[in-house]
Amino acid sequence: GQNIDQPTEMTATEGAIVQINCTYQTSGFNGLFWYQQHAGEAPTFLSYNVLDGLEEKGRFSSFLSRSKGYSYLLLKELQMKDSASYLCAVMDSNYQLIWGAGTKLIIKP
Amino acid sequence: NAGVTQTPKFRILKIGQSMTLQCTQDMNHNYMYWYRQDPGMGLKLIYYSVGAGITDKGEVPNGYNVSRSTTEDFPLRLELAAPSQTSVYFCASSSGENEKLFFGSGTQLSVL
Repeated sequence: GQNIDQPTEMTATEGAIVQINCTYQTSGFNGLFWYQQHAGEAPTFLSYNVLDGLEEKGRFSSFLSRSKGYSYLLLKELQMKDSASYLCAVMDSNYQLIWGAGTKLIIKP
Repeated sequence: NAGVTQTPKFRILKIGQSMTLQCTQDMNHNYMYWYRQDPGMGLKLIYYSVGAGITDKGEVPNGYNVSRSTTEDFPLRLELAAPSQTSVYFCASSSGENEKLFFGSGTQLSVL
């Protein structure tokens, strides 16, 4: 079966760096997405990786290793507004998105 | 620019009742989706559409129906509501099958 694994919850300190991991087992691979979802709101797009390596976008970076079925989202200079759930989603060979359950990130002052 | 507009935001249904969740987008996207989100689980695809007049079942279609008569609108119909349909529902759209999704604000539905 297809599976996306990510930690349920993480805690970090304001101003610090946090890495949220995502491992996947899917039927084929056509890209990996990260979305941010604040409590009670809709998910919003953060990043997309289809090739191995690091994609940097301001304070957020996303890394992909296709051979290891592994990605991470790196958040730098954490701010209180970064408290949210972070959803990892993989597009399989049929272009269907398989979603992880999300990682709830708690930022403490 | 409205993006994806979804109504209602909240609804309580009695078992056996029916309702339609409305979704409209103004980005001229061909691809539209309906997801449900349950606590502790990933988003589950209910139905999707790749263009007007075309709809397809997703992972969890039972108990739901959709139509796509125009590019803009993609309503989701619940017939004979059941407690298992208590969930948060999101409509989304994209410009292509491998493109980022734009989500509506969600509908919190409770079936009692």
